Amino acid sequence: AQSVTQLGSHVSVSEGALVLLRCNYSSSVPPYLFWYVQYPNQGLQLLLKYTSAATLVKGINGFEAEFKKSETSFHLTKPSAHMSDAAEYFCAVSGAGSYQLTFGKGTKLSVIP
Amino acid sequence: GAGVSQSPSNKVTEKGKDVELRCDPISGHTALYWYRQSLGQGLEFLIYFQGNSAPDKSGLPSDRFSAERTGGSVSTLTIQRTQQEDSAVYLCASSQNIGGVQETQYFGPGTRLLVL
Repeated sequence: AQSVTQLGSHVSVSEGALVLLRCNYSSSVPPYLFWYVQYPNQGLQLLLKYTSAATLVKGINGFEAEFKKSETSFHLTKPSAHMSDAAEYFCAVSGAGSYQLTFGKGTKLSVIP
Repeated sequence: GAGVSQSPSNKVTEKGKDVELRCDPISGHTALYWYRQSLGQGLEFLIYFQGNSAPDKSGLPSDRFSAERTGGSVSTLTIQRTQQEDSAVYLCASSQNIGGVQETQYFGPGTRLLVL
């Protein structure tokens, strides 16, 4: 079975500060890993995905994530937060012949001016 | 092209009534998924359709939930005898899964269901 743990249900950062959202996964096989963002009253938008190519994945809006197998982590980072980054972020995993996504509980990011 | 669309965007119903939620996937996408997003449970997988194969229903929470996909395109999620715990946002996604590669799932805006 696969699972995802997102540390911190709510993270606050100042505008211009580093954004770090943590994600750890559990999977019996090499996983596919995803970060999605959800703005209020909207669906999920893909930020980036890892599919066993480069371990450092760059996504949209300046976000990137690094796959670390030894730590079973896939943390999301952005060097400088913008007000428009305020949203809820979900880490997800799939794999083992299963296409459906298993999501973490989500982390709500607040950006303080 | 158009993204995934869902209707209605909001639905209020009374306990015990049946509801139908509709999803129009991206044209040409072979795979379609339903997920449920609720405060207590987060985002949960419900059901997965891939082409003409039998759907993966492993995430459906009870036999009151069913879904069909007609002609490999539009899908309808039906909840019979709704309960208050069914209140949630129901999200549909589609993707083009070819050759076992995990392709990106594109999500619709969701249907917000409230059972009174």
